[in-house]
Amino acid sequence: DTEVTQTPKHLVMGMTNKKSLKCEQHMGHRAMYWYKQKAKKPPELMFVYSYEKLSINESVPSRFSPECPNSSLLNLHLHALQPEDSALYLCASSQGTGFSFFPATNEKLFFGSGTQLSVL
Amino acid sequence: KNEVEQSPQNLTAQEGEFITINCSYSVGISALHWLQQHPGGGIVSLFMLSSGKKKHGRLIATINIQEKHSSLHITASHPRDSAVYICAVGIIQGAQKLVFGQGTRLTINP
Repeated sequence: DTEVTQTPKHLVMGMTNKKSLKCEQHMGHRAMYWYKQKAKKPPELMFVYSYEKLSINESVPSRFSPECPNSSLLNLHLHALQPEDSALYLCASSQGTGFSFFPATNEKLFFGSGTQLSVL
Repeated sequence: KNEVEQSPQNLTAQEGEFITINCSYSVGISALHWLQQHPGGGIVSLFMLSSGKKKHGRLIATINIQEKHSSLHITASHPRDSAVYICAVGIIQGAQKLVFGQGTRLTINP
């Protein structure tokens, strides 16, 4: 199984809603990532988890709250989002060898197919 | 100036043509990644290089560490190769993370 599964594929939410995005992988990877991608732009890193610990937070607003309950699961909790937060949210994973606080950047990344989020 | 520059930004070609996409970077790197993104979102990792050349089917990727430059070549291009191709480098200063190029939008016409 070399898949990263993201749910839901599409999400429409109001600015007062609370929702969660889910990401799952069963490849034994110990590094997991959330990226945000606006149309026709490259992905922007949001968060990195290494061995279930948050190792990188790219100054993301607190209305985005990541959670890594175990080595296979990564969640992104959304609350009080703004319309400008509408984007494709991508999850990725990598082997995460070496017990490093920062995952190595010379490891292949496996991406999920993303959640297309619209905030009304 | 961006740390990773790709060229061209857009490329349209006829089926069967040989395609080259270029990536230049200005920082020390651990590796360079070539990624493919089809309309609809999913990103696939095509290659990860730290030196030399790699080949997979009709795709070839090369890297010149001294010149800080990489190329992705597609031989005998096909309409299904139409996608956005993204170069990303793993930087080694500070918090290790990937820095992405802006992408090259490739369209192959039948």
